Amino acid sequence: DTVMTQSPATLSMSPGERATLSCRADDSLRTNLAWYQQKPGQGPRLLIYGASTRATGISARFSGSGSGTEFTLTISSLQSEDAAVYYCQQYTYWPPAFGQGTKVEIK
Amino acid sequence: QVQLVESGGGLVKPGGSLRLSCTASGFTVSDYFMTWIRRAPGKGLEWVSYISGSGSDTYYADSVRGRFTVSRDNAKNSLYLEMNSLRADDTAVYYCARDKNSNYFFDYWGQGALVTVST
Repeated sequence: DTVMTQSPATLSMSPGERATLSCRADDSLRTNLAWYQQKPGQGPRLLIYGASTRATGISARFSGSGSGTEFTLTISSLQSEDAAVYYCQQYTYWPPAFGQGTKVEIK
Repeated sequence: QVQLVESGGGLVKPGGSLRLSCTASGFTVSDYFMTWIRRAPGKGLEWVSYISGSGSDTYYADSVRGRFTVSRDNAKNSLYLEMNSLRADDTAVYYCARDKNSNYFFDYWGQGALVTVST
């Protein structure tokens, strides 16, 4: 199975700062990479697919980039409601596989 | 609006069985591939099972194949996961989710149902 590695495990930042989350795959995904946000007690929410396409209703503060094996989710100007765990997921290879998540904390 | 609601979670002893349900609203389940994904305590998300729109094609993770069965009732606009021979490592929150355009990523998720396997 494809192994997805996210870094860092935890990111602690202040409101207004820019957050950069990384996701690495052990094989090339082209751009078949999605990002999700999960808050406590809720199911995940799709943020980005195709590595860089925002899902319906997602704020322009969220942007995705990358291709192949290296991907980035950027959250510009962090807000308190962005506190959550963020997961990447590959859908090039079977089965679909997720990273372990990056927890974003707002100071 | 699109909504998915899971039910049927609970506490079960090792070797026991449980059936999860997922009721959809705001769309027709027969038009989509649907999936079950779980998150064990302290771990990340793990894909568990897939079912096609017609229900004729099903797929399972190696960790659950032979023990779990996914099904759907299009008349009830619902999805099910029958879980047998449960083990402690099946303890997790189970989510149903909709596949966006059969591309193997997921545009709507439920809030989850907690399954605890313990003596």
